[in-house]
Amino acid sequence: SYVLTQPPSLSVAPGQTARITCGGDNIGRKSVHWYQQKPGQAPILVMYVDNDRPSGIPERFSGSNSGTTATLTISSVAAGDEADYFCQVWILNPYDVVFGGGTRLTVL
Amino acid sequence: QVQLQESGPGLVKPSETLSLTCAVYGDSIGSENWWTWVRRPPGKGLEWIGEIYHTGSTNYSPSLKSRVTFSVDKSKKQFSLNLRSVTAADTAIYYCAREVGAYGGSQIDLWGQGTLVTVSS
Repeated sequence: SYVLTQPPSLSVAPGQTARITCGGDNIGRKSVHWYQQKPGQAPILVMYVDNDRPSGIPERFSGSNSGTTATLTISSVAAGDEADYFCQVWILNPYDVVFGGGTRLTVL
Repeated sequence: QVQLQESGPGLVKPSETLSLTCAVYGDSIGSENWWTWVRRPPGKGLEWIGEIYHTGSTNYSPSLKSRVTFSVDKSKKQFSLNLRSVTAADTAIYYCAREVGAYGGSQIDLWGQGTLVTVSS
C-alpha cells in the first residue's frame, strides 16, 4: 500500500518559516492536497493540487511537489497557525485516498 | 452558504452497526461532486472511508470495504454511512465532507463539524 510520511512534529518561532514535508514514492507525479486541523475543529483545505490556495487562505501558505517530497511552506508563522497538518493523495489502483500521518506544528 | 451536518448515535456496542447521516444545506446533493466520509480516531490521523455520488455510485477504502455501505437520499438531501461489526478500533470522530475537482484526484473543500462515535459496551 502507498505510504505518505510526515514528521510527527515541527516547532517554529513566530515570524519564521515552517516547512512541512510529505514523503512518498514518486509523489511528484501525484496531486497533493493539504489540510489544517486545529483542536476541536474540522479540517480545512489550505492547499490543493500541489500549490493552489483556496480563497481565504493567506498568501503566506505555499506548496511545492517534486520527486519524492511534497512541501507545505508557511512563512511568517503566527500563533494562529498552530495545528495538525495532513497531506493527501489519491491512489488509483486500488482506488483509495491516502493521508499522511500528520505533523503537529507548534509555534514557540 | 453550504453546510454539512452529521447526526447519529454517539455510542455503539461492539459487533453492532454504526449508522450516521449527513444533511446537506445550501447545495444540491445532485451537483457534480462526490460526497465522502472521513474519520479520525483519538490520537491518530485522518482516514478516508469512501465516497458516494448522487446516482448511488460508491467507492470504498479497501481496508473498510467489507464492512461499510453508503447510501444517498436526494429527496431528503442527505447521505448515510453504515459500518458493520464495529470494534473499539472504530471509535473516532466521523466527518462527512464534499469532494471537488477531478475524479480520482479531487480535494475535500467542505467538512461537517464532525461527530464522536464511541464503541463500547
